[in-house]
Amino acid sequence: QVQLQESGPGLVKPSQTLSLTCTVSGASITAFNYYWGWIRQPAGKGLEWIGRVDITGTTDYAPSLRDRVSISLDMSKNHFSLNLRSVTASDTAVYYCVREVAGTRFDPWGRGTLVTVSS
Amino acid sequence: DIQMTQSPSSLSASVGDRVTITCQASQDISNYLNWYQEKPGKAPNLLIYGASSLQTGVPSRFSGGGSGTHFTLTITSLQPEDIATYYCQQYSLLPLTFGGGTKVEI
Repeated sequence: QVQLQESGPGLVKPSQTLSLTCTVSGASITAFNYYWGWIRQPAGKGLEWIGRVDITGTTDYAPSLRDRVSISLDMSKNHFSLNLRSVTASDTAVYYCVREVAGTRFDPWGRGTLVTVSS
Repeated sequence: DIQMTQSPSSLSASVGDRVTITCQASQDISNYLNWYQEKPGKAPNLLIYGASSLQTGVPSRFSGGGSGTHFTLTITSLQPEDIATYYCQQYSLLPLTFGGGTKVEI
């Protein structure tokens, strides 16, 4: 059974960098035909796709975040990471890591981690 | 970006009712549409992919239909455990986008 688990600071100061890691168990992130990505959800709001990375290191990002975001794989640790620079209060959200199957669907999801941007 | 519009934004129904949620895409997305169920305090869970394919383990009372720009998620007999928010999501074009969600209450 594939499981994903997010980890990282729950509180980030404005203008700093939000950094999260997603540890994958039950599958290898080097497998072909998968993307590894991030989605966020501000409190009381809908879901926003942030971006994804594949085994070749190719990334795709939401246009609204492209100039601040990076997603990368660490094959030695079987995990992938999110970095979001220059955060503001509007980046406060629950962040989910996901596996995207063959560019079609998100399955499974991590349990999510709340990140609050505040001084 | 492809805009996904769900309706209604919320609904209240009784146990055993047939419930239908609609998702409209701002342009033709063929059948490149998924449905997710999000229960309070939990991560979203895939219900339907490719507009009409039932994800393994999902009860058969859930079904999806449609193509092009108009899609539906139907629960044939609402159960108490179906209380959740439901989201559609398109994967026809990047950026991947979600509908605003439909909250189902009993």
